[in-house]
Amino acid sequence: ILNVEQSPQSLHVQEGDSTNFTCSFPSSNFYALHWYRWETAKSPEALFVMTLNGDEKKKGRISATLNTKEGYSYLYIKGSQPEDSATYLCAPRYSGAGSYQLTFGKGTKLSVIP
Amino acid sequence: GAGVSQTPSNKVTEKGKYVELRCDPISGHTALYWYRQSLGQGPEFLIYFQGTGAADDSGLPNDRFFAVRPEGSVSTLKIQRTERGDSAVYLCASSFTGGTGELFFGEGSRLTVL
Repeated sequence: ILNVEQSPQSLHVQEGDSTNFTCSFPSSNFYALHWYRWETAKSPEALFVMTLNGDEKKKGRISATLNTKEGYSYLYIKGSQPEDSATYLCAPRYSGAGSYQLTFGKGTKLSVIP
Repeated sequence: GAGVSQTPSNKVTEKGKYVELRCDPISGHTALYWYRQSLGQGPEFLIYFQGTGAADDSGLPNDRFFAVRPEGSVSTLKIQRTERGDSAVYLCASSFTGGTGELFFGEGSRLTVL
């Protein structure tokens, strides 16, 4: 069983604050890392799919970095807004048998206070 | 519709009953996945279809769970003799291929077994 850890489990920030959270995962046979945002009563929405060590991706105020050698990824949100309130999930994918499976962490629940 | 559609959105049933959950993927997506999110956990892989066949059903917890995709489009997840531990959000996702691309999720079916 793969151990995918996300921290913190939850956090509350004020509107306008910048924040970041961590996803750590086993690095052996790593293939890709997915980040999803899941708002209450909606479907999980893909943010990024990252594959290369040192990769950095950006989407508006949200960005992510990836370290495949040590097995971690950071997600950053600049100038948090109430609409950023959601659970952020990371899920690595590995090569070999079962390479299409995503193994999700438990998520980081972000609440942005207006 | 444009997205992945899941029905019902909510299902309350009694222990021991039979339940069917339906997923209508994005048109043209050959790969279809079922995941389950139990309280306090990240989504957990159940089964993956490539076309009509179940390419990997290793995530199904026991033989009470079964899924079909007879025409390579709509899929039905079937749960026999439901137990309270089956209570969870059942998520369906689809993608263009079974490779490493982004998954598109539905809003999920919340199952509550009393």
